[in-house]
Amino acid sequence: KAGVTQTPRYLIKTRGQQVTLSCSPISGHRSVSWYQQTPGQGLQFLFEYFSETQRNKGNFPGRFSGRQFSNSRSEMNVSTLELGDSALYLCASSLVSGTGRYSPLHFGNGTRLTVT
Amino acid sequence: ELKVEQNPLFLSMQEGKNYTIYCNYSTTSDRLYWYRQDPGKSLESLFVLLSNGAVKQEGRLMASLDTKARLSTLHITAAVHDLSATYFCAVDSASGTASKLTFGTGTRLQVTL
Repeated sequence: KAGVTQTPRYLIKTRGQQVTLSCSPISGHRSVSWYQQTPGQGLQFLFEYFSETQRNKGNFPGRFSGRQFSNSRSEMNVSTLELGDSALYLCASSLVSGTGRYSPLHFGNGTRLTVT
Repeated sequence: ELKVEQNPLFLSMQEGKNYTIYCNYSTTSDRLYWYRQDPGKSLESLFVLLSNGAVKQEGRLMASLDTKARLSTLHITAAVHDLSATYFCAVDSASGTASKLTFGTGTRLQVTL
């Protein structure tokens, strides 16, 4: 079974530009989450989507947005990039069953974004 | 706001030794995860702990959860070099089937010969 696929792997952007990152979850996984990893702040939750609906959002400015498509694929967009947005962006998918969450999040290899 | 504290932040240990990594969290949760991250790589799921008293073991690693004390431990038995990595605990604060993980700062484990 293919894992979580994130594209592109690396990105270099200039301050003020915008960027879109893509994530394809494991087949059958309908929950997709995004996390930001930086040396200073560690791993921080951005948002979670399920069935095209955002269910939770972290404490990030409105410049960070996302969406999920009907095939569960997800995209994350960051507008008006700042130097501090340089980070590894990780997407994770999870199998949700019944009324609970019993399976872990499976993470992709991430997109490393550098803002200059 | 949920806070997750891990200690130690850095652990250097010799092969063959035992040690424990601690994960404390500030609010009630019964869903806790342990992940491993190798340098330049993504996060690999190690354990899912879903109830008070849960204990899971895989090879030289054993994780436990005490929801009353809001404490999880990751015990390493007879460490080997291959266990060198950064280990994260993560607590899920969302309800139902939703997910919102708060990660600890990570423990960088270095196993020396």
